[in-house]
Amino acid sequence: DAGVIQSPRHEVTEMGQEVTLRCKPISGHDYLFWYRQTMMRGLELLIYFNNNVPIDDSGMPEDRFSAKMPNASFSTLKIQPSEPRDSAVYFCASSSFATRGVTGELFFGEGSRLTVL
Amino acid sequence: AQSVSQHNHHVILSEAASLELGCNYSYGGTVNLFWYVQYPGQHLQLLLKYFSGDPLVKGIKGFEAEFIKSKFSFNLRKPSVQWSDTAEYFCAVKTNAGKSTFGDGTTLTVKP
Repeated sequence: DAGVIQSPRHEVTEMGQEVTLRCKPISGHDYLFWYRQTMMRGLELLIYFNNNVPIDDSGMPEDRFSAKMPNASFSTLKIQPSEPRDSAVYFCASSSFATRGVTGELFFGEGSRLTVL
Repeated sequence: AQSVSQHNHHVILSEAASLELGCNYSYGGTVNLFWYVQYPGQHLQLLLKYFSGDPLVKGIKGFEAEFIKSKFSFNLRKPSVQWSDTAEYFCAVKTNAGKSTFGDGTTLTVKP
């Protein structure tokens, strides 16, 4: 299994530009999570999906952030327009629900490190 | 809503010292409990998990954790740390709703 795949691994952009982060979850996982990690705020849950449907987006900072999951194998997190305070590492994670002994642990991608100048 | 509290923000130990990191959660229902580790510059990886059964669970690299339901705690322990254990450690709680809530993390620095 290839694990959770995120792209790009690094992105440097200028304030005001649109940023799109991509995630491919592990095949068969029905939950997908977007987290943001910074030194100041630690690991924050932005949004999560179950069976491609957004369940809880209360962690999305503001309207500049949006996330979609058009199918079971792909999700995007978009920031438009980007600001310097959005600089962080954005992690995507997937899991399957706890059934038949599967404990629903999260499998994280390598993260996308975003720098907004 | 559930919450997770990790008591230590930064722990500094010498090699061979014993480690215990505290984790308390608040949630009245059934939970799955996890410890994740993040080595410098890497993503989070599962260290160990509690689902049901024996409340003392053993994970990778000699780590273990004990679930004490009455105290809502899931403390992480290791009898003798190594320099390579330097990392950030996150406690997490997952409920039947599917959402995982993480603590703020504890940075462990092990001095050689």
